[in-house]
Amino acid sequence: DIQMTQSPSTLSASVGDRVTITCRASQSITTWVSWLAWYQQKPGKAPKLLIYKASTLESGVPSRFSGSGSGTEFTLTISSLQPDDFATYYCQQYDKFPYTFGQGTKLEIK
Amino acid sequence: QITLKESGPTLVEPTQTLTLTCTFSGFSLTTNGVGVGWIRQPPGEPLEWLALIFWDNDDRYSPSLKHRLTITKDTSNNQVVLTMTNMDPVDTATYYCAHIVYGTSSLDFWGQGTLVTVSS
Repeated sequence: DIQMTQSPSTLSASVGDRVTITCRASQSITTWVSWLAWYQQKPGKAPKLLIYKASTLESGVPSRFSGSGSGTEFTLTISSLQPDDFATYYCQQYDKFPYTFGQGTKLEIK
Repeated sequence: QITLKESGPTLVEPTQTLTLTCTFSGFSLTTNGVGVGWIRQPPGEPLEWLALIFWDNDDRYSPSLKHRLTITKDTSNNQVVLTMTNMDPVDTATYYCAHIVYGTSSLDFWGQGTLVTVSS
């Protein structure tokens, strides 16, 4: 299985901050495209797809979210935190089965 | 508009078999590339990918749970069924189903989830 490791596990930040979450895969998940997705999850709710193919913004997702990376290292950046962004974020690889998730990064209000 | 909804028992006893149904609308599981997957999340824990079935009946499982899982589809009723045998308290989790199109955006539409508690 491809292991996905996120850092940090918890991140404290303030409204207006720029934050970056890192996701590392145990092997490359990039072929002609990077098969990496980012999700946002709020308590008691289903995950919401934010970014796919490492850097493509899902329709309707604010442009303050961006993704980058290739190979084994990827980042999710929120350019200016809004109150609605405090949540848990997961990366997921879908290059090889079984598709695997990171352990999550909880973004808290400082 | 794509929607999915999970249904099934909220409480199962240890050693029993769990059967969950995902009923969906807004897409067809006969369309090339389309699939439905199952993901679970124990309380306070991360997401865990369980299984996936594609339009062409290709099915994939988490290796650690493969011996306990079966995923099937009923295209005429727009449903996907997941069965998990020999349930244990550690299987207590919210179970989600989600839509996927192979080679595109991964799990783009999710059901609301259903909490299954395993207890005697």
